[in-house]
Amino acid sequence: DSGVTQTPKHLITATGQRVTLRCSPRSGDLSVYWYQQSLDQGLQFLIQYYNGEERAKGNILERFSAQQFPDLHSELNLSSLELGDSALYFCASSTNPTGGPLGEQFFGPGTRLTVL
Amino acid sequence: AQSVAQPEDQVNVAEGNPLTVKCTYSVSGNPYLFWYVQYPNRGLQFLLKYITGDNLVKGSYGFEAEFNKSQTSFHLKKPSALVSDSALYFCAVRDKIRGTYKYIFGTGTRLKVLA
Repeated sequence: DSGVTQTPKHLITATGQRVTLRCSPRSGDLSVYWYQQSLDQGLQFLIQYYNGEERAKGNILERFSAQQFPDLHSELNLSSLELGDSALYFCASSTNPTGGPLGEQFFGPGTRLTVL
Repeated sequence: AQSVAQPEDQVNVAEGNPLTVKCTYSVSGNPYLFWYVQYPNRGLQFLLKYITGDNLVKGSYGFEAEFNKSQTSFHLKKPSALVSDSALYFCAVRDKIRGTYKYIFGTGTRLKVLA
C-alpha cells in the first residue's frame, strides 16, 4: 500500500457528462501528479500540483482541469466526456516538486473510468 | 524531444532464467531514470532509479538496472526470474523542460515468467 488513496475505484458514465476524481496524497507529501493510462496511449502525464499551485502541465485536454486544496487533496475534473476518455486515471504523490527523497513518486490504485 | 522507448511489448522467460527488459531514452540533459512495476489492478510501484554514480543500480525484489550512456539505455535485469515477477514494467525519465520537471513514461513491457 503506497499510502495514496483514490476515489472512486470505478466510474461508469455517459458521453457528454462531467465527473470528478479524487486523490489524497501520502501523509506529508506536498506534490500531486495526475496520469492517464489507456491501452493505446500508455501512461500519459497530465498535470502536477505542488502545495496548491500548478507546477507542470503535460498532455492535458482543455476539457480536463485539476486543483489541489489546502488540505493537499486533489481533484481531477473531466467534462464533456468522450468515448476516448475511457481509461485508468492514476494519482501519484511525492514529498517535493522534483520527486521524493529518491526522486520517486508513489502511485494510488487508480480510478477506472468507462464512458459509454 | 524527450522520450523513452521500450521496444518490446512482451517478454517471456522461464522461471529461474535471467531476464532483461529493455529501455532506451532521449533527454536534453543528464537523465534521471526510473523503473516502475505495475501488478494487475494496482498502481505503479517504484523499483529503482539512476541519477549519478555506479552504472549498475540495485533495486527492490532483486532487480537491477544497467545505465549505459553511450547507448542511451537503462535495461532492467534480474539474475533469476520468479513467476511472481510477471507484471507490467515501465521505464521513465525525469527531464527538466522549460524550467519544470516532467516525468515521461515508456509504453510498458509485459513480463511473463513461465513455470
